[in-house]
Amino acid sequence: DAGVIQSPRHEVTEMGQEVTLRCKPISGHDYLFWYRQTMMRGLELLIYFNNNVPIDDSGMPEDRFSAKMPNASFSTLKIQPSEPRDSAVYFCASSWEGNYGYTFGSGTRLTVV
Amino acid sequence: QKEVEQNSGPLSVPEGAIASLNCTYSDRVSQSFFWYRQYSGKSPELIMSIYSNGDKEDGRFTAQLNKASQYVSLLIRDSQPSDSATYLCAAVFWGTASKLTFGTGTRLQVTL
Repeated sequence: DAGVIQSPRHEVTEMGQEVTLRCKPISGHDYLFWYRQTMMRGLELLIYFNNNVPIDDSGMPEDRFSAKMPNASFSTLKIQPSEPRDSAVYFCASSWEGNYGYTFGSGTRLTVV
Repeated sequence: QKEVEQNSGPLSVPEGAIASLNCTYSDRVSQSFFWYRQYSGKSPELIMSIYSNGDKEDGRFTAQLNKASQYVSLLIRDSQPSDSATYLCAAVFWGTASKLTFGTGTRLQVTL
């Protein structure tokens, strides 16, 4: 099993540009989580899906952020327009019902200049 | 807001010593608690879980939970340089099924 796959690993973009982060969860996992990690705020849950349906998006900072999961093997997190304060490492994780040993992807380091 | 709090450190211990990492949480009705380890530049990985009051041992690691005092701790015996990492405490709060809330982590440095 290749684990949770995220792309790109690094993204540098200019303020105002659209950024799309991608995630492929582990096959058979029915939960998918998007987290953001910064030094100041640690790991923050942005949104999570169960069986491709968004369950809780209360952590999404504002309307500039959106996430989709069109099928069980793919999810995207989009930021439009991006701002310097969005600079962080974005992690995708997947799991299954009742299991809290999430498998995290390698993360996407986003830098907005 | 339900929170998990940790001292950011760094906590520095000599090789072979016991490292003690602490975590407090805000919700008296929290269900389950977890310790994740994150090496620099890597993603978090689960190392321990604990659900009931008391101690739980796994090799060199012991998790301790005290729900009355709302704290959970992680002890690492015979600390090794390879234990140097950031340790994240996480909790599942009642009514937030399947959702982990993480603390900001404590950085541990094991010195030679």
